[in-house]
Amino acid sequence: DSGVTQTPKHLITATGQRVTLRCSPRSGDLSVYWYQQSLDQGLQFLIQYYNGEERAKGNILERFSAQQFPDLHSELNLSSLELGDSALYFCASSVVFSNHYNEQFFGPGTRLTVL
Amino acid sequence: DQQVKQNSPSLSVQEGRISILNCDYTNSMFDYFLWYKKYPAEGPTFLISISSIKDKNEDGRFTVFLNKSAKHLSLHIVPSQPGDSAVYFCAASANQGAQKLVFGQGTRLTINP
Repeated sequence: DSGVTQTPKHLITATGQRVTLRCSPRSGDLSVYWYQQSLDQGLQFLIQYYNGEERAKGNILERFSAQQFPDLHSELNLSSLELGDSALYFCASSVVFSNHYNEQFFGPGTRLTVL
Repeated sequence: DQQVKQNSPSLSVQEGRISILNCDYTNSMFDYFLWYKKYPAEGPTFLISISSIKDKNEDGRFTVFLNKSAKHLSLHIVPSQPGDSAVYFCAASANQGAQKLVFGQGTRLTINP
């Protein structure tokens, strides 16, 4: 158990809909990352938040957005869903020290299926 | 543009022998490398890491080697155990301070009894 929790575990929805994925980081971790893993693909970085502020963006679609709340949990919002958005979505967290290397710890993921 | 590549989608090794998983990268700005292990229906689990100032890091049965000139790293597992059967991902990042990870496609390791 990494200490990172994600809900829901599975989500099935229809094209055009909007969903929200939730992540709670490990206790003490200020930084949250979102990754997408499509079928037979590696994990693709979407976005990073640090202590409530957006820190870095990857190949995240404009239909997707995220935020990190004062209690440090994060939500990833996916809207106008398309079939190709079906994937595993992982959240990871880490402490952040500017002069240290920091491994990221991953949650169990949310499997999104768009029908 | 695949900056981190794992060219072997799968690898089969006999229990007790050495497993060697390979990873190549193209971005010379990468200075921190990690290996993650993933079981089905679970998130990736951190295994071992190495910074670019080192060429070897060891943790129990797991050793990671880094060859900066060749932009190549490898993970050695000795001896291999059935519980090591999983998908292994190589990942890299640039700069300290927890930057985004760039992942390879993964190698499925199967340990045969």
